[in-house]
Amino acid sequence: DSGVTQTPKHLITATGQRVTLRCSPRSGDLSVYWYQQSLDQGLQFLIQYYNGEERAKGNILERFSAQQFPDLHSELNLSSLELGDSALYFCASSVGSWGADTQYFGPGTRLTVL
Amino acid sequence: AQSVAQPEDQVNVAEGNPLTVKCTYSVSGNPYLFWYVQYPNRGLQFLLKYITGDNLVKGSYGFEAEFNKSQTSFHLKKPSALVSDSALYFCAVSGIRSGNTPLVFGKGTRLSVIA
Repeated sequence: DSGVTQTPKHLITATGQRVTLRCSPRSGDLSVYWYQQSLDQGLQFLIQYYNGEERAKGNILERFSAQQFPDLHSELNLSSLELGDSALYFCASSVGSWGADTQYFGPGTRLTVL
Repeated sequence: AQSVAQPEDQVNVAEGNPLTVKCTYSVSGNPYLFWYVQYPNRGLQFLLKYITGDNLVKGSYGFEAEFNKSQTSFHLKKPSALVSDSALYFCAVSGIRSGNTPLVFGKGTRLSVIA
């Protein structure tokens, strides 16, 4: 158990809908990262927050947004969902925002868009 | 831009034999290199990382990796494979010493250890 929690574990929804994925980092970690894992794209970095502020942006679609709250938990919002958004979404956390910091991953949320 | 290549999609090894999972990287400057393992329907578990110093890094579950700067490689090794090592292995790189540096992952190598 990495100490990173994600809810829900599974999410099934329809095209055009909006969903929110939640992540709680390990105690003491200030950075939260979101990744998308799909069969064709592999593991893709979406976005990083550090202590409430956006730190880095990867291949995140404009339909997706995220935020980190004062208690350091984070939410990833996915809107106008398409079939291609079906994937595993992982949250990771680390102590700081340095490249050498180990990122610890949560169990993931499996999103299925029908 | 930084990148990671895992040249083998699948590696098969007999239980008790040594295993190697290959990884090469491309990055400007000095790299930070990581190995993660993913079991079915689970998140990624951290195995080990190289930051600086000794080129041989020891990690969890008896795994180790050797950093080779001249060959830009960071191969994962284990002297004696177990059936329970069967999983998906990811190499990742972070290449900047400060600031926001998300990990870039390879496509993964599926390891199958046969009894």
